[in-house]
Amino acid sequence: EVQLVQSGAEVKKPGESLKISCKGSGYSFTSYWIGWVRQMPGKGLEWMGIIYPGDSTTKYSPSFQGQVTISADKSISTAYLQWSSLKASDTAMYYCVKWDYWGQGTLVTVSS
Amino acid sequence: QPVLTQSSSASASLGSSVKLTCTLSSGHSGYIIAWHQQQPGKAPRYLMKLEGSGSYNKGSGVPDRFSGSSSGADRYLTISNLQSEDEADYYCETWDSNTRVFGGGTKLTVL
Repeated sequence: EVQLVQSGAEVKKPGESLKISCKGSGYSFTSYWIGWVRQMPGKGLEWMGIIYPGDSTTKYSPSFQGQVTISADKSISTAYLQWSSLKASDTAMYYCVKWDYWGQGTLVTVSS
Repeated sequence: QPVLTQSSSASASLGSSVKLTCTLSSGHSGYIIAWHQQQPGKAPRYLMKLEGSGSYNKGSGVPDRFSGSSSGADRYLTISNLQSEDEADYYCETWDSNTRVFGGGTKLTVL
């Protein structure tokens, strides 16, 4: 059974750093692109970027280029999304997605 | 870069059928899309991949009530015999070699 299991909810202050994770199982992790999607409160889905764990090729949506970093550790079948300096506007639910399976989501709250 | 346009809302009665539309931008009418369902408070769920020919491939466990079709730049999701659990947001998605994009989503209300 294919599963994408994400790390738990986070509460952070503006300016802090954060790295959230997404562990894949039940399929060949290195053979499929994994992406990250943002959903701000009450809003729609936005693609942030994708990574191919096999060779770590990464592509970012223009809106998120330079704002976040996507990475993967194929030895533990895990993809990551990280911020170096969070803003209040980063408050959202973040989902990882293989093309046909979604993670359960990680809620990130940034508040002073 | 392709752009996807969806109506913001739709409604239909319990037990009836509804057809949701996703329209590809000019120059992208041949693109494959995917449909995703997001029930209230839940993560999205992949429903199907839909080609310009109208051929579609559903995800694991997606009921037979869900089907797809295409006409030109329009991609459709039809839900038959509507159930209360079908009340959800429905998003279409497409991609090219450099980017992926979602439509704005359609909020379906089951009356």
